[in-house]
Amino acid sequence: EVQLVESGGGLVKPGGSLRLSCAASGFAFSSRSMKWVRQAPGKGLEWVSSISTISGNIYYADSVKGRFTISRDNAKNSLYLQMNSLRAEDTAVYYCARGNGIRGVNAFDIWGQGTMVTVSS
Amino acid sequence: EIVLTQSPATLSLSPGERATLSCGASQSVSRNYLAWYQQIPGLAPRLLIYDASSRATGIPDRFSGSGSGTDFTLTISRLEPEDFAVYYCQHYGSSPITFGQGTRLEIK
Repeated sequence: EVQLVESGGGLVKPGGSLRLSCAASGFAFSSRSMKWVRQAPGKGLEWVSSISTISGNIYYADSVKGRFTISRDNAKNSLYLQMNSLRAEDTAVYYCARGNGIRGVNAFDIWGQGTMVTVSS
Repeated sequence: EIVLTQSPATLSLSPGERATLSCGASQSVSRNYLAWYQQIPGLAPRLLIYDASSRATGIPDRFSGSGSGTDFTLTISRLEPEDFAVYYCQHYGSSPITFGQGTRLEIK
């Protein structure tokens, strides 16, 4: 079964750090681009970051640039999001998602169940 | 940045009816790299349509996508009870990737 499972969410104080992980299974992880998308409570979807298959191309939303770092370990079938200098507005459910093909530009065809990040004092 | 505007914000229909959801882009979407997602509250989004008109794996043929350039449409030909959800369009052809604000499809 193709599956993505996020972990690492929780409650953190403003200015703090958190590292999210996404464990992939059931497909050739190294051949797919990966993404992070977040959804604040009661709000819509916001793309956060994307990473290509061998980490050669990395992109960030302006709202997280300089604070968040996306990475992947193809040997461990895992995707990561290091989040530093967290703000209240980063509070959201964070989803990892898979690119739906092997070309460089993809929609997001498989999503994890999400992990909640709450930034509050 | 491409801004996507979805209309209507809320659509009230009955099972069996046809639903038409719109997504307008502030500039032309390159190569029609436009997707539609369905999200049931509390669950992760599900990819329905990619490249403006290609159905994703396992998506019933009552879902169809059309459009090009700056105007795109998601059509659900005959609504089933499980189709009542929030729908988002997304462009993914360039960074930053953006989503529309969503259309809530509710039971009338």
